[in-house]
Amino acid sequence: AIQLTQSPSSLSASVGDRVTITCRASQGIASALAWYQQKPGNAPKLLIYDASNLQSGVPSRFSGSGSDKDFTLTISSLQPEDFATYYCQQFDSYPVAFGQGTRLDIK
Amino acid sequence: QVQLVESGGGVVQPGRSLRLSCVVSGFTFSSYGIHWVRQAPGKGLEWVALIWYGNSDDYYADSVKGRFIISRDNSKNTVYLEMNTLRAEDTAVYYCARVLGTYMDVWGKGTTVIVSS
Repeated sequence: AIQLTQSPSSLSASVGDRVTITCRASQGIASALAWYQQKPGNAPKLLIYDASNLQSGVPSRFSGSGSDKDFTLTISSLQPEDFATYYCQQFDSYPVAFGQGTRLDIK
Repeated sequence: QVQLVESGGGVVQPGRSLRLSCVVSGFTFSSYGIHWVRQAPGKGLEWVALIWYGNSDDYYADSVKGRFIISRDNSKNTVYLEMNTLRAEDTAVYYCARVLGTYMDVWGKGTTVIVSS
């Protein structure tokens, strides 16, 4: 089974900061990676699909890049509403897998 | 609008069964696969199962294989998750989510399952 490892597991940052979260797959997954944002008590929300495509309605400060094993989610200028937990997810092969999550807190 | 609504959660004793439902609206249900994903208290997301459209092929996480069964009724726009031989570690919020390509584009709000004696 493919495993996804996110880093860091937690991160403190300030409004206006540029933030990067990484996701490494245990084997190549081409571009079959998505990123989700989850706020406490809410369902996850799709941000990025196929590694670099911005989901409709998601602010352009979010971007994704990478392929094969190494992927990144970047938030160019943090806004107050961006403080949340972020997950990567692969569906290149079964079983579908999520990363362990990255919690983004206000510094 | 596109909507998925889960129901059927509750408190159940270890070893018992429970059936969750996911009712969808706002899109052609018979043309989409549906995932179940769960989240234990204070933990991350864990994929549980997937049922495709068409031939309804199904896939499961190792942690639930042989105990959980996913099914669908296209006439009712509903996906079910039959959970048998429940364990304490199955305690979680269970979400259903629509398949689009290699990702999950729309999620329900979730239903809570607590396995406890």
